[in-house]
This record gives sequence, structure tokens and C-alpha cells, in this order.
Amino acid sequence: EDQVTQSPEALRLQEGESSSLNCSYTVSGLRGLFWYRQDPGKGPEFLFTLYSAGEEKEKERLKATLTKKESFLHITAPKPEDSATYLCAVLDYGGSQGNLIFGKGTKLSVKP
Amino acid sequence: KAGVTQTPRYLIKTRGQQVTLSCSPISGHRSVSWYQQTPGQGLQFLFEYFSETQRNKGNFPGRFSGRQFSNSRSEMNVSTLELGDSALYLCASSLFGGQGGTDTQYFGPGTRLTVL
Repeated sequence: EDQVTQSPEALRLQEGESSSLNCSYTVSGLRGLFWYRQDPGKGPEFLFTLYSAGEEKEKERLKATLTKKESFLHITAPKPEDSATYLCAVLDYGGSQGNLIFGKGTKLSVKP
Repeated sequence: KAGVTQTPRYLIKTRGQQVTLSCSPISGHRSVSWYQQTPGQGLQFLFEYFSETQRNKGNFPGRFSGRQFSNSRSEMNVSTLELGDSALYLCASSLFGGQGGTDTQYFGPGTRLTVL
């Protein structure tokens, strides 16, 4: 069964303490991997799209990377405002139509 | 420029009823996607419309349906509501959808549906 698994479920960091979030996937026809950030009571905010293994994208303190089986979201010197739930999703074309599969998310808390 | 708007923001229905939710994408965006978010299941993809055609579809029963109009506005309909349909329903718009380059998806604030 196609699935997307994110780890850890929750992560607590001190301000300035860098870390990485993981998104592993098992799909038959990957067409793209997406990272989102979601704050409580709001819709997800798009961060990155990755299409092929070896691809990397950066935005401020965030850097996303992709391999054939997983993606990492690296957070460098995080600040309290980076606290949010980070979601990854995979666009799978294994069936007749594409299906966007989400992980359960990693809840990040950054303490000052 | 105006963001994605969803109406209504809150809705209370009873089991067996049907409901229609509306989503207005950002001007110029042709792709609209719908998602269901619950605490237990997380964010689940319902379907994507592009130029009035359903392009992608998630694993939801036929009670969930949608359509897109020529102005790219989209509606989602849920018939014969069940208690488990209580959720936050989100829509997102983008220029080309998930197949286009560095296309960005912008989410609306969501419609909170409660089924009693």
C-alpha cells in the first residue's frame, strides 16, 4: 500500500538548535514531493516542491532534499516563529489518476 | 491580490443531509484542489480540478463530489452526511496544479463542517 511516513511526530528544539525532519515514502509512481507548514487554525502554507532524487531547495532557514525513498527538511538555527506542524505529501501516479498522499506531520516547537 | 476564499467558514448539519462548499481561487489560477483534515486521519486529498476537468482523485466514496466552473470557482458536495464527515475542508489553488514546475499552492482558511 502506498504510504507516506513522517518522523518524528513531535520535535522540541531550543532556539538556534538545528535539526532535520524526515519524510519517507513508498509509492509506485512518484511525480513530486511537497512540503507544507501549518499553523493552528489555518490552512497549510506551501513551502517546496521536489521532483527528482538529488534535488534540493532552500528558503530562509529551511532546506528540503530528496532521495529515491525519503525527503528531509533541514531547519538551520530555528527561531520560535518556526514553530508549526510540517507536512509532506507525495503525488503518486501509480493508478489511472494522480493521488496526493499526506503524512501525519511533524509538530515542531522552538523555545526561546 | 486576494487570496483563496472559502464559504461558508462554519457549517452545522445533521446526518443524512447534504452540503455544498464553495471555493474561489486566486485570480488567474486554474487548478483547485480539495482536502479533508481531521485530528485522526490528518490531511487527506479529495480531488483536483483543472480547467473544469477532474484531474486527480483521492480515495473517498462517491458521496464526495465536486465540480469546477469556467471562472475556476469550485464547489464540493457531500451527500448523505455521516458523523465521520465532520472535519475541516480545505481548498487550494494554483496556476497549473501539481504537475507544473515550481507551481505554488495557496490554501484557503477552510470550512469547518460539523455533522450532528
